[in-house]
Amino acid sequence: EVQLVESGGGLVQPGGSLRLSCAASGFTFSAYWMHWVRQAPGKGLVWVSRIDPDGTVRNYTDSVKGRFTISRDNAKNMLYLQMNSLRAEDTALYYCTREGGEHSLDYWGQGNLVTVSP
Amino acid sequence: DIVMTQSPDSLAVSLGERATINCKSSQSVLYSSNNKNYLAWYQQKPGQPPKLLIYWASTRESGVPDRFSGSGSGTDFTLAISTLQPEDVAVYYCQQYYRTPRTFGGGTKVEIK
Repeated sequence: EVQLVESGGGLVQPGGSLRLSCAASGFTFSAYWMHWVRQAPGKGLVWVSRIDPDGTVRNYTDSVKGRFTISRDNAKNMLYLQMNSLRAEDTALYYCTREGGEHSLDYWGQGNLVTVSP
Repeated sequence: DIVMTQSPDSLAVSLGERATINCKSSQSVLYSSNNKNYLAWYQQKPGQPPKLLIYWASTRESGVPDRFSGSGSGTDFTLAISTLQPEDVAVYYCQQYYRTPRTFGGGTKVEIK
């Protein structure tokens, strides 16, 4: 069974940093693109970032470029999102998702809440 | 960026009736080399993560009831629920995966009338 479990969220002050982690199991992690998608409270889904299976290709939405870094450790089946210079508008539930063979997002974690507030 | 526009924002449908959600992309998401539309539909129930319903615009994900269907090509797409069930109350999102950033529509909330 495919499982994606996020951790590392919490309350942080504006300008601070957090690192989200996603533990993957039930599939060959090193064979899949992985993504982060976020959802502000009561709002819609926003794609944040993706990384290729080797960890060499990384893409970001404009609003997080230069502040967020996606990475992975295939030996540990872990996906990460390092978030620096956090802003109030980064407050959201962050989902770890897998890009399936058909390129859509076929598995999602339960999400991890990041709150940026003084 | 490709902008995805969904309509309506919300709709209320009687049980057993048909619900239709529209999604329009600001540019075509049809890849000519394989004739596939790089568009997916997701369902999100309250308090849950999104669930993939349809990919390639019209292919149902395994286990998705056949009352859900996707159609359209190029820039205009539709998700239909043929006979609405109580468990279909949710917010539905379209997403293009033709180009990065992989943008989502704003969502359509489906309720029971």
